[in-house]
Amino acid sequence: SQQGEEDPQALSIQEGENATMNCSYKTSINNLQWYRQNSGRGLVHLILIRSNEREKHSGRLRVTLDTSKKSSSLLITASRAADTASYFCGNSGGGADGLTFGKGTHLIIQP
Amino acid sequence: EPEVTQTPSHQVTQMGQEVILRCVPISNHLYFYWYRQILGQKVEFLVSFYNNEISEKSEIFDDQFSVERPDGSNFTLKIRSTKLEDSAMYFCASSDPPKEQFFGPGTRLTVL
Repeated sequence: SQQGEEDPQALSIQEGENATMNCSYKTSINNLQWYRQNSGRGLVHLILIRSNEREKHSGRLRVTLDTSKKSSSLLITASRAADTASYFCGNSGGGADGLTFGKGTHLIIQP
Repeated sequence: EPEVTQTPSHQVTQMGQEVILRCVPISNHLYFYWYRQILGQKVEFLVSFYNNEISEKSEIFDDQFSVERPDGSNFTLKIRSTKLEDSAMYFCASSDPPKEQFFGPGTRLTVL
């Protein structure tokens, strides 16, 4: 299993602060993808980072990948109330492999 | 921007009935997936589909489940005889590897 696990399970911060979520996985991967899910809705893709990449940026998002530690982190800078959601990392062996998700981090941004 | 669509948004059925969940993947994608999420739990992979056949399936995807691409646009998940524990959100996704998977909005299946 390539099961990933995110931590913390829940995170509550003030608007404007930075939020950092971590993800670990067990086996070798081709890529790792971060998603956001608002309550009762579908998963929205945020960033894909490949196994040969160490860091990737997209707007206020920064993702790092450490394949030696089998871990990744997602940093959201200057958080906004609209960032309130659950965040999941899904890892893949590539090709037609399904993504294996952890339980996610529930992020609450306090106004 | 192209997106994955799913119908219906909510399906209620009686235990033992067959249901078919429908998905229209992004048109130029070649890989298709089904996932499910039981309320309050993580998203679980069910099956992937490529070149008109199953590429990978999880332990959840037993003989009660089947997938089909009946035409050039639709991708379906059939549950032959639903059980109470099949109640969940079912997500379809598509991709053009090695790129990201795009998820649909989901179908909420309620089995009574």
